[in-house]
Amino acid sequence: DQQVKQNSPSLSVQEGRISILNCDYTNSMFDYFLWYKKYPAEGPTFLISISSIKDKNEDGRFTVFLNKSAKHLSLHIVPSQPGDSAVYFCAASAGAGKSTFGDGTTLTVKP
Amino acid sequence: NAGVTQTPKFRVLKTGQSMTLLCAQDMNHEYMYWYRQDPGMGLRLIHYSVGEGTTAKGEVPDGYNVSRLKKQNFLLGLESAAPSQTSVYFCASSYSTGFEQFFGPGTRLTVL
Repeated sequence: DQQVKQNSPSLSVQEGRISILNCDYTNSMFDYFLWYKKYPAEGPTFLISISSIKDKNEDGRFTVFLNKSAKHLSLHIVPSQPGDSAVYFCAASAGAGKSTFGDGTTLTVKP
Repeated sequence: NAGVTQTPKFRVLKTGQSMTLLCAQDMNHEYMYWYRQDPGMGLRLIHYSVGEGTTAKGEVPDGYNVSRLKKQNFLLGLESAAPSQTSVYFCASSYSTGFEQFFGPGTRLTVL
């Protein structure tokens, strides 16, 4: 049973437009959520996170929204840039330490 | 400050051979993790450690062993490699009170 799901394997957007990446989870014990970005042949790098006590967290062009009742979070990138093209992983944690990862969404931003 | 480093970067093994992957971190992190990533899939936790001398099983521990003799190092061993263990292996570390994990560049392992 996959506890963290990213239902869209890929997403393609035009440069300057908004990218919206989605993530659903099933475990109600998760209380912290993270997004990681991964370029080919590199390890994932942390992008942005949100605690379950909040419903929005913003960092520059990146905003994460959390809807606890729907067990859903999303990452918004505005405006999208070609350098944002990467695989984005959603992750969820129940306490500090272990995280459960989704399968990732490959974002392609076209110039 | 090198962060998290992994050795080797690439390796090809024959079925039945053994090998050890080394992970080192210089951030004084308490927690360390080993993941595998297969094509089209996310990161699956193999084993993790919450401190020097401790290890615990993750999601997919079968066929792997680990050791954390020093705080900065976390070793992943394959005693008898199988083709199903062909994957990219990532090591990560984190503070005990934090959620963000810092990842190494990965080791691409092929088992023939």
